[in-house]
Amino acid sequence: DAEITQSPRHKITETGRQVTLACHQTWNHNNMFWYRQDLGHGLRLIHYSYGVQDTNKGEVSDGYSVSRSNTEDLPLTLESAASSQTSVYFCASSESSDRGKTQYFGPGTRLLVL
Amino acid sequence: DAKTTQPPSMDCAEGRAANLPCNHSTISGNEYVYWYRQIHSQGPQYIIHGLKNNETNEMASLIITEDRKSSTLILPHATLRDTAVYYCIVRPRWSGGSNYKLTFGKGTLLTVNP
Repeated sequence: DAEITQSPRHKITETGRQVTLACHQTWNHNNMFWYRQDLGHGLRLIHYSYGVQDTNKGEVSDGYSVSRSNTEDLPLTLESAASSQTSVYFCASSESSDRGKTQYFGPGTRLLVL
Repeated sequence: DAKTTQPPSMDCAEGRAANLPCNHSTISGNEYVYWYRQIHSQGPQYIIHGLKNNETNEMASLIITEDRKSSTLILPHATLRDTAVYYCIVRPRWSGGSNYKLTFGKGTLLTVNP
């Protein structure tokens, strides 16, 4: 069955280190998204991509970057991890059509920055 | 994007219908109403969406008022596994552009009690 996976599921890192979170989907969806979720803030969009070589900033993109070299993957990189980036990160994907409003989410990555 | 208003929390007895309201008084004619839910520690899950007609699928029913300013998500026979945060989201109908983002509010925490 097609799916969307994230790795690692849990990560502990230190302030200042570079961290990359992986997202892989097998639906062949053009659209992919990264969100973070913090208590009191709900889900907030970090970056998104509507196809290979396309990336866009979301509402909380500072300190994060993404690259899209193929359809299946959208890795999220924290260039220099900060304690404020401790959060749960969710990846999602959707079709490029009127059904594209239906996003399918991964299981999440819990990141702790010490 | 139209804003939505949901109660922060609701309770429901197991086996009874759960009716979750959403106010979207500024919705425009080309905007859909989407519902997602998030069970604790999992990624959000699509439930249902509609434009102006009532919709039903295997998970739930969506009732949209005639003026489209509010809607109700109905879980006909709530179970303990339906305990989750439910998000009501309003988004424009796909117009051929590339605007597939979803904006999540704080949602309603539905607690199904035994």
